[in-house]
Amino acid sequence: DAKTTQPPSMDCAEGRAANLPCNHSTISGNEYVYWYRQIHSQGPQYIIHGLKNNETNEMASLIITEDRKSSTLILPHATLRDTAVYYCIVRPHYNQGGKLIFGQGTELSVKP
Amino acid sequence: GAVVSQHPSRVICKSGTSVKIECRSLDFQATTMFWYRQFPKQSLMLMATSNEGSKATYEQGVEKDKFLINHASLTLSTLTVTSAHPEDSSFYICSARDASGNTIYFGEGSWLTVV
Repeated sequence: DAKTTQPPSMDCAEGRAANLPCNHSTISGNEYVYWYRQIHSQGPQYIIHGLKNNETNEMASLIITEDRKSSTLILPHATLRDTAVYYCIVRPHYNQGGKLIFGQGTELSVKP
Repeated sequence: GAVVSQHPSRVICKSGTSVKIECRSLDFQATTMFWYRQFPKQSLMLMATSNEGSKATYEQGVEKDKFLINHASLTLSTLTVTSAHPEDSSFYICSARDASGNTIYFGEGSWLTVV
């Protein structure tokens, strides 16, 4: 079973920030938080991952709470092309396992 | 980012025949590849984990004799759906783990339709 909880759907206005929450209250100390997204009929696309510090790359920012029980993926300026299903996944570090088990994700709709 | 390619992207086969789907890591070596299946409106379901040069590890409920996985090199894994039936029609997606192990990259997926 997936170890994360996400809202099934969210809407966001184009040009605004999209904040996607994820609860992972049972996360272990050796598990990272990963975010992927899947645009319709395509393979998932890696977005970002983190352990306990906030992370930022060219696609998004990841904010992880101090207790690591939840996180938020931030798309700073959402575009129509960001419409997709976003998956939050917790996964051990490589040498302690490594499968990605997908939950139901959040279907983000970016509207004009 | 790293590139993972699948072929074919779409395939139609007759019921009872076998079909092979290839997954290649184009610019990195992948010691581990994963195969998923996704039905419409559902999430991805992990089928098996394949390590180069060894037998694949299948998830519970996945028939290893029906879904044959071969990972003969560091850049290629294949999934063969044997004796395909219409209920095997699905979107099959592979992924590969890079050397650092921290990131897993996905292929574009392969649509299988069994008629």
